[in-house]
Amino acid sequence: QKEVEQNSGPLSVPEGAIASLNCTYSDRGSQSFFWYRQYSGKSPELIMFIYSNGDKEDGRFTAQLNKASQYVSLLIRDSQPSDSATYLCAVSPSNDMRFGAGTRLTVKP
Amino acid sequence: DAGVTQSPTHLIKTRGQQVTLRCSPKSGHDTVSWYQQALGQGPQFIFQYYEEEERQRGNFPDRFSGHQFPNYSSELNVNALLLGDSALYLCASSLVGTSGWKDTQYFGPGTRLTVL
Repeated sequence: QKEVEQNSGPLSVPEGAIASLNCTYSDRGSQSFFWYRQYSGKSPELIMFIYSNGDKEDGRFTAQLNKASQYVSLLIRDSQPSDSATYLCAVSPSNDMRFGAGTRLTVKP
Repeated sequence: DAGVTQSPTHLIKTRGQQVTLRCSPKSGHDTVSWYQQALGQGPQFIFQYYEEEERQRGNFPDRFSGHQFPNYSSELNVNALLLGDSALYLCASSLVGTSGWKDTQYFGPGTRLTVL
């Protein structure tokens, strides 16, 4: 079992729709959770972090965390073509950071 | 305000050679982490440097070593290169503070290493 699992996609949504990205993790001791966006040929860029169970909203992005289910998700509202990228989930059980392989999102105009 | 910079951008080496990659952190940051990203995969944590010491290490062999200088810049050295070391090497800088380093992490553009 991988430490951090994501559907590789591609996930395709029409412009203006809600994109839902999911991530599960295996280490129950994980305390902090991150979503990064990576455009093709570029380096990862931090979108959001969440430490507590529940929802955290930042603009069009909402991160959701359920530690009991070992599940974290990212919702992107009003998706734009510029949101087309690979979204990486990262989990930090201690003083390192473990990434999933990412979900490729395509937003079609 | 300069972000994280890395050099070189691209590098081609042959098996058995040694390579040194360099990273300058974002202004005001004091911690440098190195990651390896193979094609189609997420970044894999190699190690982290803070106060010129290796603070945490991922599951990488001793062929991978590093250093942090007093000005917070850092080097990643890889000895006895293997074909499997071909990847994008990412440096990330952050600031150790009351909330920790993780939510201030910025990645550099990376160095693409090809081992032939």
